[in-house]
Amino acid sequence: SQQGEEDPQALSIQEGENATMNCSYKTSINNLQWYRQNSGRGLVHLILIRSNEREKHSGRLRVTLDTSKKSSSLLITASRAADTASYFCATAYSGNTPLVFGKGTRLSVIA
Amino acid sequence: DAGVIQSPRHEVTEMGQEVTLRCKPISGHDYLFWYRQTMMRGLELLIYFNNNVPIDDSGMPEDRFSAKMPNASFSTLKIQPSEPRDSAVYFCASSTAVYLSLYNSPLHFGNGTRLTVT
Repeated sequence: SQQGEEDPQALSIQEGENATMNCSYKTSINNLQWYRQNSGRGLVHLILIRSNEREKHSGRLRVTLDTSKKSSSLLITASRAADTASYFCATAYSGNTPLVFGKGTRLSVIA
Repeated sequence: DAGVIQSPRHEVTEMGQEVTLRCKPISGHDYLFWYRQTMMRGLELLIYFNNNVPIDDSGMPEDRFSAKMPNASFSTLKIQPSEPRDSAVYFCASSTAVYLSLYNSPLHFGNGTRLTVT
């Protein structure tokens, strides 16, 4: 079963706007990762945030992590049409288990 | 770096036929994962290997599914006999480390095999 659940399931915005996607998870984690999947392609790793970190930036991406609420958010600033994709959070449990993925948020950026 | 290579990209077969999906991981990666993606269930882990040895196959749906990794550069996922409900996109992914630094190791995915069983 999925550990992380993304919200919303789908999001449509205009180019230049910011896009925010959320991820909630159930049990304690060591880190949380975000991936992007373009249509017909495999997932691509975007960013990793550790459980002792609260915020991390990478270019136009900003990820926050709130372990007390068991949630994370991914913010894409100044979105572009090329950002159109599905975005997944993936969690690594405290323990020797591989990543578990949510079902993703489908982002559409309209030019 | 050629990335993870999967073949074929698309496979259409009739129910009851044997299907073999192939994967070449990134050189030097010692972990290999097989995932299945459907709209209903999302991305599910089927099985993963460490140094060519299967570690956890609890995600394999039933005995019709089998996976092998005869060497560090090749893995197969076989479905025999195939059924319409096996229709999905199957992804292979590799990683440099899992447990040693599990949490800090991103997965590298191939572009998947889209399987359609009619």
